[in-house]
Amino acid sequence: DIQMTQSPSTLSASVGDRVTITCRASQSISSWLAWYQQKPGKAPKLLIYKASSLEGGVPSRFSGSGSGTEFTLTISSLQPDDFATYYCQQYNGTFGQGTKVEIK
Amino acid sequence: EVQVLESGGGLVQPGGSLRLSCAASGFIFNTYAMSWVRQAPGRGLEWVSTISGSGGTTYNADSVKGRFTISRDNSKNTLYLQMNSLRVEDTALYYCVKDHRDWGRGTLVTVSS
Repeated sequence: DIQMTQSPSTLSASVGDRVTITCRASQSISSWLAWYQQKPGKAPKLLIYKASSLEGGVPSRFSGSGSGTEFTLTISSLQPDDFATYYCQQYNGTFGQGTKVEIK
Repeated sequence: EVQVLESGGGLVQPGGSLRLSCAASGFIFNTYAMSWVRQAPGRGLEWVSTISGSGGTTYNADSVKGRFTISRDNSKNTLYLQMNSLRVEDTALYYCVKDHRDWGRGTLVTVSS
């Protein structure tokens, strides 16, 4: 299996901060990467597909970039509703370990 | 409206078997790959298996190879996961997923003696 390494595992930030989460693949996955947001007790929600395409209905403060083995999810201005856990996933395969975004 | 609804979870002893089902509606079922993803209590997401729209191609995580089998019945708009030789570490909430974007609420599988 391709390994997906996400960092950091926990991130403390304030409302209005710019936040960046990194995901690295153990081998090239082209742009076949998705990002999800999960809140406690809820199913994950798709944010970004094909590395950089914003899912419909997702606020434009979320963006994704990268290809090959290095990818980033950026939240341009953190909002109260964004405190959650974020996961990357290579298509039809492994997830990263998750990044919990906490209130500073 | 797209809906995927899992069922079949429950308590099973180590070494036992269970079959999960996922009833799909609101989309043309045989045109979409479907996946199972699980989440152990308090842990992260783990991809389990994926099957193509026709059912002709399947992919499985190393952790379940040889024990779990994903299948689908396109005439019934239903996805399945046959789980054999279950282990304590298979305890998790199992989600049915369409195309990355549509997730069910999950069905809980508990493996314990």
